[in-house]
Amino acid sequence: DTEVTQTPKHLVMGMTNKKSLKCEQHMGHRAMYWYKQKAKKPPELMFVYSYEKLSINESVPSRFSPECPNSSLLNLHLHALQPEDSALYLCASSRGLAEDTGELFFGEGSRLTVL
Amino acid sequence: LAKTTQPISMDSYEGQEVNITCSHNNIATNDYITWYQQFPSQGPRFIIQGYKTKVTNEVASLFIPADRKSSTLSLPRVSLSDTAVYYCLVGGGSGGYQKVTFGTGTKLQVIP
Repeated sequence: DTEVTQTPKHLVMGMTNKKSLKCEQHMGHRAMYWYKQKAKKPPELMFVYSYEKLSINESVPSRFSPECPNSSLLNLHLHALQPEDSALYLCASSRGLAEDTGELFFGEGSRLTVL
Repeated sequence: LAKTTQPISMDSYEGQEVNITCSHNNIATNDYITWYQQFPSQGPRFIIQGYKTKVTNEVASLFIPADRKSSTLSLPRVSLSDTAVYYCLVGGGSGGYQKVTFGTGTKLQVIP
């Protein structure tokens, strides 16, 4: 299984809602990532988890709250978002071991629209 | 962190070979070079990865000169379905996790 699965594929939420994006992989990877991608722009790194611990937070606003409950799962909790947070949210994983060469395995993304 | 520079866009006719060059002047000794393909509203997809010299797989070749300050992705005989954005990334090899950031990418348009 070489897939990274993201749910939901599409999400529409109001600015007062609380929702979560989910990501799952069963490749035994120990590093997991959240990226945000706006239209016609490259993906921007948001968070990196290594061995279930938050390793990188790229100064992301606190209305985005990541969680890594175990080595296979990665969540992104969303609260009080703004319309400008509408984007494609991509989850990725990598081996995260000494043999990690930087090859990222991406999910298909969750398209978020904030009204 | 190594930063990458690529052409913003390229056009090619179907059936031609396409070469996309990426500049990464401050690549670190333990960095790998990885290329991804991305279609609209989909996640990036791994194409090929290399460290030095030449790497070939079933979809592409990657040429890396001895100084590793640049690399060239070669797509043989492109088809319309190869129209996508291609990203060159450098990183990896330091263990644990990677702070992998994307450059602007190259938008390849294949013309019939």
